[in-house]
Amino acid sequence: DIQMTQSPSSVSASVGDRVTITCRASQGISNWLVWYQQKPGKAPKLLVHAASSLQSGVPSRFSGSGSGTDFTLTISSLQPEDFATYYCQQAHSFPWTFGQGTKVEIK
Amino acid sequence: QVQLVESGGGVVQPGRSLRLSCAASGFTFSNFGMQWVRQAPGKGLEWVAVISHDGKVQYHGDSVKGRFTLSRDNSKNTLYMQMNSLRVEDTAVYYCAKEKDFRASHCLDSWGQGTLVAVSS
Repeated sequence: DIQMTQSPSSVSASVGDRVTITCRASQGISNWLVWYQQKPGKAPKLLVHAASSLQSGVPSRFSGSGSGTDFTLTISSLQPEDFATYYCQQAHSFPWTFGQGTKVEIK
Repeated sequence: QVQLVESGGGVVQPGRSLRLSCAASGFTFSNFGMQWVRQAPGKGLEWVAVISHDGKVQYHGDSVKGRFTLSRDNSKNTLYMQMNSLRVEDTAVYYCAKEKDFRASHCLDSWGQGTLVAVSS
């Protein structure tokens, strides 16, 4: 199975900050990388698919990049509604696997 | 709009069985693969299983292989997951989710609200 490793596991940031989350796959997955956002008590929400394609309706301050084994999710200017946990997930092959999550907290 | 509503969760003893359902609406159910993802209390997301649009193909995560089986009734727009030989470590909120693309597994663009399964003696 492909292992997904996210870093950091948590980050404290202020409104307006630029935040970067990294995800590394244990083997090459081309661009089959997805990012989700999850708020407490809620279902995950699709943010980015195919490593860099923004899901419809997601604000442009979110962006994804990378290919192969190393990927990044960037929030260019953190907004109050962005405080949440973010997960990467590989869709290269079954079983799909998620990273352990990165919690973005208020500084 | 797309709506997914899970049901069937509850408290069950170890070794017993449970069947979850996911009622879908707002899209052509028979055109999309469907998946289950779970989340243990206070933990991250864990991928559980997928079933193809026509029900002919399914894959499972290692932790549920041989115990959980997916099925679907495209005439009723409903997804099912039969969970057998339940273990304490199966305790989680179970989400059903719709694949984004027509007959292709790339990502999950719609999720249900989740149903809690608690395995305890």
